[in-house]
Amino acid sequence: EDQVTQSPEALRLQEGESSSLNCSYTVSGLRGLFWYRQDPGKGPEFLFTLYSAGEEKEKERLKATLTKKESFLHITAPKPEDSATYLCAVQAGRDDKIIFGKGTRLHILP
Amino acid sequence: GAVVSQHPSWVICKSGTSVKIECRSLDFQATTMFWYRQFPKQSLMLMATSNEGSKATYEQGVEKDKFLINHASLTLSTLTVTSAHPEDSSFYICSARVTESYGYTFGSGTRLTVV
Repeated sequence: EDQVTQSPEALRLQEGESSSLNCSYTVSGLRGLFWYRQDPGKGPEFLFTLYSAGEEKEKERLKATLTKKESFLHITAPKPEDSATYLCAVQAGRDDKIIFGKGTRLHILP
Repeated sequence: GAVVSQHPSWVICKSGTSVKIECRSLDFQATTMFWYRQFPKQSLMLMATSNEGSKATYEQGVEKDKFLINHASLTLSTLTVTSAHPEDSSFYICSARVTESYGYTFGSGTRLTVV
């Protein structure tokens, strides 16, 4: 069965304290791995799509990387406005649907 | 670009009544729309996949007679929660695949409260 596991469940950082969020997956035939940001009471906001091991993408203070078993979302020198839940999702096999992990709730303290 | 507009943002209804949630793709054609449900501090759980012009495919455990999905055009999909009960209170979100490289875009969600 396809599975997506995110860790940690929650993370509190001081402003400027860099860290990484993990997304490990067990799927047959990965077609894409997605990172989203979700603010309370809102729909997920697209951040990155990664397709193959070794791929990296960056956007402002965020950088996503992918290996054959996991993906990392690195956040460099975070600011309070980076506080949100970060969701990882994968698309596998022939399905168009994607499977979400439970997310990491990130809180950046000023 | 690639915006999915979801309405209403929130709705309160009485137990036993029905509620309709709309999702419109504003600047692209959504052949396939996905409907999710999210409980507090939980992840998104896929309820069903709707394809334009055909019947929706429901995930295991989701009652198709309770959650009616209509995808009559390439820009509009609706989810109707029929005979709603308090346990149906949740955050409902729709999503559409934009392109292979862009991925999926999500609506802003609907907070349903059944009293």
